[in-house]
Amino acid sequence: ETGVTQSPTHLIKTRGQQVTLRCSSQSGHNTVSWYQQALGQGPQFIFQYYREEENGRGNFPPRFSGLQFPNYSSELNVNALELDDSALYLCASSLAWGRANTGELFFGEGSRLTVL
Amino acid sequence: SQKIEQNSEALNIQEGKTATLTCNYTNYSPAYLQWYRQDPGRGPVFLLLIRENEKEKRKERLKVTFDTTLKQSLFHITASQPADSATYLCAPLYSSASKIIFGSGTRLSIRP
Repeated sequence: ETGVTQSPTHLIKTRGQQVTLRCSSQSGHNTVSWYQQALGQGPQFIFQYYREEENGRGNFPPRFSGLQFPNYSSELNVNALELDDSALYLCASSLAWGRANTGELFFGEGSRLTVL
Repeated sequence: SQKIEQNSEALNIQEGKTATLTCNYTNYSPAYLQWYRQDPGRGPVFLLLIRENEKEKRKERLKVTFDTTLKQSLFHITASQPADSATYLCAPLYSSASKIIFGSGTRLSIRP
């Protein structure tokens, strides 16, 4: 069973550019959530995808968008990058909640984005 | 809107003592509350879930309590070890359909 993998691990962009971050979910998981974590802060919920549809969104502007593919892998796209977008971007996969499970999120190691 | 508050100050504990971390929430009580551990530069790792109707949940040296009257969950690590040093995050869930929203976390440091 492979865990959640994210790519790239680190990247540097300049203001106004666009970035795509990728995530492969854990085997068997049909739900992917994306989080932004600034230094010293808790992870902030961006959005969640369930079976290729967006299934909830946090307080992020439309220039943050995503996709989920039939194999449940996912992408996070950010357009018109701003300096404040510099953060660790975390992807987490999970099973849709059921009575027998805990709804736990399985996180990848994150993609560290620096915007100059 | 709902707020989640965790100790913003880092907690420094002597090895062997019990570390106690606090998670407070406002307004209505969550149906569930999760706790995660996060090491620097890594993704959080799930530790425990406690349900609204459970007062206490244990796992090895970890104990979580849930007091809906105080609107608070406490996370205890007994016989603490330097390897327990990390940031601990709480995440209340208001239903099984909730998206998981985290508190800001508490950084715990266990000194030998």
